[in-house]
Amino acid sequence: DIVMTQSPDSLAVSLGERATINCKSSQSVSYSSNNKNYLAWYQQKPGQPPKVLLYWASTRESGVPDRFSGSGSGTDFTLTISSLQAEDVAVYYCQQYYNTPRTFGQGTKVEIK
Amino acid sequence: QVQLQESGPGLVKPSQTLSLTCTVSGDSIASDDYYWSWIRQPAGKGLEWIGRIYARVSTNYNPSLESRVTISVDTSKNQFSLKLSSVTAADTAVYYCASADRNSDFYFQHWGQGILVTVSS
Repeated sequence: DIVMTQSPDSLAVSLGERATINCKSSQSVSYSSNNKNYLAWYQQKPGQPPKVLLYWASTRESGVPDRFSGSGSGTDFTLTISSLQAEDVAVYYCQQYYNTPRTFGQGTKVEIK
Repeated sequence: QVQLQESGPGLVKPSQTLSLTCTVSGDSIASDDYYWSWIRQPAGKGLEWIGRIYARVSTNYNPSLESRVTISVDTSKNQFSLKLSSVTAADTAVYYCASADRNSDFYFQHWGQGILVTVSS
């Protein structure tokens, strides 16, 4: 199984400030044949299912604000919220879809400082 | 737009079989365009992929659960189902069904709202 490890487990950021979440996979989740990174980021608010924010590591899902961005390749990835809004308080998960079993990071809780 | 809705008992006794159904709307489960997955989340914890079905009969399961899991499709009802046998308290979780496009993106684009299943006598 590919183990996904996120850091930090939680972070508190002031409104309007930048939030950065890291995700590391135990093996590469990138295919050299198509140069794609098989990694998605999800946001989960209390009592709700996860909602996809980004796929292919950096492609925003339709309707996702552009303050959410993703970067990285191979085994190291980053989710950045450029200017934290109150509605961004949530738990964020990375997930690899390179192979099965699909695996998720343990989650990073983002709060307002 | 695919929509998913889980249903089934909210309480299962230890050692019994947990059975859940996901009803699909907005597309035909027989179209073979999607991976249909089950994912669970214990209270306050992270997400665990249970397994998936695609092309009506092909399945992949998480090795950690494979000996106890069966996922199947009922095309006449546009549903897919999860059976998890010999449950214990450790199987108490919110269970989600989710879909991923087989032809392009593969990530979990659509999710059901989730159903809480408690294993208790």
